[in-house]
Amino acid sequence: DIVMTQTPLSSPVTLGQPASISCRSSQSLVHSDGNTYLSWLQQRPGQPPRLLIYKISNRFSGVPDRFSGSGAGTDFTLKISRVEAEDVGVYYCMQATQFPKTFGQGTKVEIK
Amino acid sequence: QVQLVQSGAEVKKPGASVKVSCKASGYTFTSYDINWVRQATGQGLEWMGWMNPNSGNTGYAQKFQGRVTMTRNTSISTAYMELSSLRSEDTAVYYCARGSALWGQGTLVTVSS
Repeated sequence: DIVMTQTPLSSPVTLGQPASISCRSSQSLVHSDGNTYLSWLQQRPGQPPRLLIYKISNRFSGVPDRFSGSGAGTDFTLKISRVEAEDVGVYYCMQATQFPKTFGQGTKVEIK
Repeated sequence: QVQLVQSGAEVKKPGASVKVSCKASGYTFTSYDINWVRQATGQGLEWMGWMNPNSGNTGYAQKFQGRVTMTRNTSISTAYMELSSLRSEDTAVYYCARGSALWGQGTLVTVSS
């Protein structure tokens, strides 16, 4: 199985300041079809996960443009340009390139 | 409205089975894979498997092989996940998801004697 490792596991951030989460995979996530199936999900307290970013850098419908994704191969990053109160929650990277799908451990974003 | 609505919370004894339903509405049920993901309290997300509602084809994570069965009823646009031989470690919220873009609200399954 592909292991997804996120850093940091906790990220206290000041409102209006940027935040960045790293995700590293144990193998390349480039699929044989040329796509890289790396997604980012947000889980607010008490809610189901919500898709933010798919295929490394594509923002899902309705996701604010302060969220951006980047990376390639085995190293990926989620950035929040200016953290807002509603961004508090746990963020997960997920790979769907290889069966079984696997998630990172999660990064908790909280306000300082 | 495009949504997935799951069945209600369950309490089961060790060794029993549980069957969670996931009803799709607002889109063509057979056009998108359904994934099942679980989350123990305070823990991360764990992918269990997927099902193609059109063909009925399934794929299960090795951890759950032999204990999980994913099925569907296309006439009522509903997917099911049945987990057998329950143990306390199976206590978790179980989610269905259309790909990773649309999620059900979750179903709490508690395994306790």
